[in-house]
Amino acid sequence: EVQLVESGGGLVQPGRSLRLSCAASGFTFDDYAMHWVRQAPGKGLEWVSGISWNSGSIGYADSVKGRFTISRDNAKNSLYLQMNSLRAEDTALYYCAKGVTGVGGGYFDLWGRGTLVTVSS
Amino acid sequence: AIRMTQSPSSLSASTGDRVTITCRASQGISSYLAWYQQKPGKAPKLLIYAASTLQSGVPSRFSGSGSGTDFTLTISCLQSEDFATYYCQQYYSYPITFGQGTRLEIK
Repeated sequence: EVQLVESGGGLVQPGRSLRLSCAASGFTFDDYAMHWVRQAPGKGLEWVSGISWNSGSIGYADSVKGRFTISRDNAKNSLYLQMNSLRAEDTALYYCAKGVTGVGGGYFDLWGRGTLVTVSS
Repeated sequence: AIRMTQSPSSLSASTGDRVTITCRASQGISSYLAWYQQKPGKAPKLLIYAASTLQSGVPSRFSGSGSGTDFTLTISCLQSEDFATYYCQQYYSYPITFGQGTRLEIK
């Protein structure tokens, strides 16, 4: 089955760190760029970060640049998001999304169900 | 960053109506625009890419048009399952940006 399954979310205090994971199955993972998109409670979609098939091209939203790091392990069909110095405004449902080409950018034709990150003391 | 502005922010309509949602980019993005549908508690679903190309499996009552800075999503004959929130997204350049969403409600 073609799917993306996120994990690693939870409740974390401001200033702490969290690492999200996304397990991909049912398609050739290393053919495609992958992305993280988040949605704060009751709000719209915000692209967070994207990574090309070979990790050669990476992009971040200004809101997370310098705090978040995206990575992937093609041998494990997995995508990651290391989130440091977390803030209350990072509270959101984090989706893993598949790009339609191997390079960065593009649109997203497959989404996971999301993992919830809550930043609060 | 390229700013995407959708209008209206919310819209009330009835089953069978024809509705149009507009998305405007703060600078030209050629046809690098996608539309998504999101229902409560669900992940977004891709409807249209390259401004006017229908994703496989999406009903033909959905259509998209536009290029440059102005784009539209049209639903020709609303069905009950179409009541949802719709987002446009530009992929012309990083950072990728979304519109704020248009909530389509039942009148």
